[in-house]
Amino acid sequence: TQLLEQSPQFLSIQEGENLTVYCNSSSVFSSLQWYRQEPGEGPVLLVTVVTGGEVKKLKRLTFQFGDARKDSSLHITAAQPGDTGLYLCAGESGNTPLVFGKGTRLSVIA
Amino acid sequence: GAGVSQSPSNKVTEKGKDVELRCDPISGHTALYWYRQSLGQGLEFLIYFQGNSAPDKSGLPSDRFSAERTGGSVSTLTIQRTQQEDSAVYLCASGRGPPYEQYFGPGTRLTVT
Repeated sequence: TQLLEQSPQFLSIQEGENLTVYCNSSSVFSSLQWYRQEPGEGPVLLVTVVTGGEVKKLKRLTFQFGDARKDSSLHITAAQPGDTGLYLCAGESGNTPLVFGKGTRLSVIA
Repeated sequence: GAGVSQSPSNKVTEKGKDVELRCDPISGHTALYWYRQSLGQGLEFLIYFQGNSAPDKSGLPSDRFSAERTGGSVSTLTIQRTQQEDSAVYLCASGRGPPYEQYFGPGTRLTVT
């Protein structure tokens, strides 16, 4: 069974601080996706990484896929209250459904 | 274009009744997924449809749960003889790929009293 472990589970920080959340597995994935979910809504895709070692930037968010395609990280620079939400990583492998981690719940306090 | 839509947005039902939840995916998306999310928790995979292949039902928690996808488009998730532990938000997503990026609907909040 493929599992994705996300850490930390909860994170509460002040506006302007930097943070990194992690997504780790012992399995290799063909792609890894990050989603953000706000209260009362469905998750929204932020980015997909497909190549080992790949780095993608989305404004203040930087996503990295591990060289072995088993892990990923999300770094947020100068966090803002609008970044508050549940961050989910999901791994794709073959024809099986996406495997989701349990998420990191981020709270950014103004 | 239109995103994934789900109906109803909220459903309150009495224990023991059957409920049907509907998902309208994005046109052209071959994959459709159902998830369940309890308050403050992550996503629990329920079932996965991919094109004309047999659905992956490995996540359905009991035989009270079933789903179908008609004409490769609209999907209905049915819960029979609802129990209080079925109370949750039920999310549908569609996608095409690879990679199978998922586009989620807003969810149906089910409350079993």
